[in-house]
Amino acid sequence: EDQVTQSPEALRLQEGESSSLNCSYTVSGLRGLFWYRQDPGKGPEFLFTLYSAGEEKEKERLKATLTKKESFLHITAPKPEDSATYLCAVQAAGNTGKLIFGQGTTLQVKP
Amino acid sequence: KAGVTQTPRYLIKTRGQQVTLSCSPISGHRSVSWYQQTPGQGLQFLFEYFSETQRNKGNFPGRFSGRQFSNSRSEMNVSTLELGDSALYLCASSVEYTGELFFGEGSRLTVL
Repeated sequence: EDQVTQSPEALRLQEGESSSLNCSYTVSGLRGLFWYRQDPGKGPEFLFTLYSAGEEKEKERLKATLTKKESFLHITAPKPEDSATYLCAVQAAGNTGKLIFGQGTTLQVKP
Repeated sequence: KAGVTQTPRYLIKTRGQQVTLSCSPISGHRSVSWYQQTPGQGLQFLFEYFSETQRNKGNFPGRFSGRQFSNSRSEMNVSTLELGDSALYLCASSVEYTGELFFGEGSRLTVL
């Protein structure tokens, strides 16, 4: 069964304190792994797509990496505005846009 | 470019009633999918439509149904509401088959 597990569930950081979020997955043929950000009361916002092991993507203070079993979202020198829930999702091979989401990591960055 | 629009944003229903939620995708996007989000289960896939055809359906009972119109707008319906149907229902649109989804702000349903 295709599955995504994210850890930790919640993370509190001081402003400027770098850290990483983990996303472990099992899927029958990975077509893509996606990271989203969700703010309270809003729908998820797309951040990154990773397609194959070894791939990396960066955007401002965020960097996503992918191995054959997991993905990491590295947050460098975070700011309070980075506080949000970060969701990881996988898309299995095939003719579908269906995503399987993890439960998310809620990040709080304190000034 | 306008984003994904969902209506209504909030609604309260009682058990046994039915509800219809509406979604207008981003112009040019032909794929629309629906997700249910709850604190306990997270985001769960409901169904996916492309060019008025349901391509994929999640593990939800038959009380959950949907459709897509020729202009790509979509609706989902939940009949015989149960307390457990209380959730945020999210619609997302995309270029076909991609996992890069553009989500609306959701319709928050409360069932009393």
